[in-house]
Parts: sequence; structure tokens; C-alpha cells
Amino acid sequence: GQSLEQPSEVTAVEGAIVQINCTYQTSGFYGLSWYQQHDGGAPTFLSYNALDGLEETGRFSSFLSRSDSYGYLLLQELQMKDSASYFCALDPSGGYNKLIFGAGTRLAVHP
Amino acid sequence: ETGVTQTPRHLVMGMTNKKSLKCEQHLGHNAMYWYKQSAKKPLELMFVYSLEERVENNSVPSRFSPECPNSSHLFLHLHTLQPEDSALYLCASSQGQGNTEAFFGQGTRLTVV
Repeated sequence: GQSLEQPSEVTAVEGAIVQINCTYQTSGFYGLSWYQQHDGGAPTFLSYNALDGLEETGRFSSFLSRSDSYGYLLLQELQMKDSASYFCALDPSGGYNKLIFGAGTRLAVHP
Repeated sequence: ETGVTQTPRHLVMGMTNKKSLKCEQHLGHNAMYWYKQSAKKPLELMFVYSLEERVENNSVPSRFSPECPNSSHLFLHLHTLQPEDSALYLCASSQGQGNTEAFFGQGTRLTVV
């Protein structure tokens, strides 16, 4: 089977940098995605890593290492509005977004 | 309207009721999905439709019955549910195979009493 593990909660202060780790077990996959979900809101796509290395999108970056079965989401210059849940997800099918999600990491940003 | 719209946003139903959840996407996508989100659990993929044909059914109990009449609409018909089926049901759409981003609706919060 496939599974992903993330820390359940992370706390940080405004302006800081935080890294949310994701380790996974899978027999094969096409890429690792990250989604953000505010309370009561819809999950929204943040990034996708198909290849090893770092993908940067503004204040958010995502990293993948297939050899280590590991990825992370890096959030820089934290803002209060970044308080949300963050999910990593495996794409096992090369499309159709049949995503396998982790349980999510709740990020609390404090002043 | 833009994006993925789900109705109703909240639903309370008895175990003997029949109800339907509706999802509509205005993005021109050709694939649609139902996910279940329970408290403190990962989102679980339930069904996938591509070009109105079901391509995935993740061992979901038959009391959940999906319907995709066209590429813009997706329904989840519910009957004789159990209290443990109470959850947030999320609809998503994407451009289909090879596309990396799914667009989610805000979900229907279902409570089974």
C-alpha cells in the first residue's frame, strides 16, 4: 500500500521560516503534491514535484528526494494568513489526480 | 460563477433518508472526483470520473452512488447512511491525465443522525 506521514502540528511566528516534512511509502508514484486548506475552506493546490529537487513558487518552496522517500514544504516570511492545514499527496497514476493524501499538518502562525 | 461549486454546504440526514450532493465545475475540466474528509484522517478518494465514465471506485460502500451526467456535473447519491459516514465530502476537478493540479470545491458537511 501507500502511506504518507506528516507532523500533526507546527507552530511558528510571523516572519519566520517553517519546514513541513512528509515521508512516504509507496511502490511507485509520479509526483508529490502539496495542498493548503484553511478552516472551512477548500484544499488549494500549492506545488507539485515530479523530479527530485526544489520547486520555488514565491514564498513557498517544495522539495522531493525519491531516494530518501521524503519531501518537504518550505514556507518563508510567514504571515498570519498562512495559518492553515497543509497536506502532502502522492500521485500514483500519472494523472487523473487519484491522490493519496497525508493526514495533514496544522500550522499556527503567531504574532 | 467560477471554480468548483458544491451544494448544499451543510446537510443533516437520518439514517433512513435519501439525499444527493451536487457538484458543478465551470473550469472546462474533463475529470471529476469525490473525496471524503473525516476529522484527523487523510482525505480519501472515493470516485473518479473521466469524460463521464467512472475510472475509479475505491471500495466505497454501495450506500454511496455517484452519477456524472456530463463533464460539468457530478452527484453523490446517499441512502441508508451510518453515523460514521458523517464527514466533509469534497468534489474536485482537473484537466485529466497528466495534469498535476486538482481544484476542490468547499465541500458538503454531512451529519448523519
